[in-house]
Amino acid sequence: EAQVTQNPRYLITVTGKKLTVTCSQNMNHEYMSWYRQDPGLGLRQIYYSMNVEVTDKGDVPEGYKVSRKEKRNFPLILESPSPNQTSLYFCASTLSANTGELFFGEGSRLTVL
Amino acid sequence: SQQGEEDPQALSIQEGENATMNCSYKTSINNLQWYRQNSGRGLVHLILIRSNEREKHSGRLRVTLDTSKKSSSLLITASRAADTASYFCATDAGANNLFFGTGTRLTVIP
Repeated sequence: EAQVTQNPRYLITVTGKKLTVTCSQNMNHEYMSWYRQDPGLGLRQIYYSMNVEVTDKGDVPEGYKVSRKEKRNFPLILESPSPNQTSLYFCASTLSANTGELFFGEGSRLTVL
Repeated sequence: SQQGEEDPQALSIQEGENATMNCSYKTSINNLQWYRQNSGRGLVHLILIRSNEREKHSGRLRVTLDTSKKSSSLLITASRAADTASYFCATDAGANNLFFGTGTRLTVIP
C-alpha cells in the first residue's frame, strides 16, 4: 500500500531533550516536505527536499533540522525542543515538486513541556 | 503572504444539502488544490485545478477558479455525514511549496 509513515504519532517531551520524528515513503517520490499545523495558522512548511542530499528551508525552519540521505526517508530533528514547538507535524511527499498532489502522513502530535 | 484564506471558517448544513466554501489568494499561481482533513488526521488530496482551467468536477465535487479575482470555490453536492471534515485550499506558485489556508470546518448533520 502506497503510504507515508511517520513515527512517533504522539510524543510528550521536555524542553531541551533532542528528538527525531521519522518519515518514510514507499512511493519512490523525489519531493518530501515537513509541515506544522497550529490552530488558526493552517499548515506552514518547515523544510523540504527536492531529492536525496538536497534540502531547503520552508517558511518556519528555526529550531529544526532535516536530512535526506536516502530517497525514502526524511527525518525531522528538534535539537533542543522548546514549548513553542508544541504542534501537529505532517510529513508529505510527491513525485516531484511540480506534480501536484501531496501525499500526507497521519501526523505526529508533539508536546514540549 | 501567499497563504490562501478560506471562507467561511465554519459551516454547518443538513445532510443532502450542498456545501460551498471559498478560497482567496494573493499571488499568481500554477495550480490550486483542495484537501480534506478528518479530525487530527493527515490531509487527503481531493482535486487540482490548473491556472488555465475554470472548472473541474470529480464525483460530487465541483471546483471553480477565477484567476482574475484570485479566488476558488469548492462545492460538495448532496452532502453526507461522512463529509464532515476540514477543507483546505493550497496554492502552488512554483516556489517548491504549497501554501495552505487555515481551512473551513464543515459539519454535516444527519
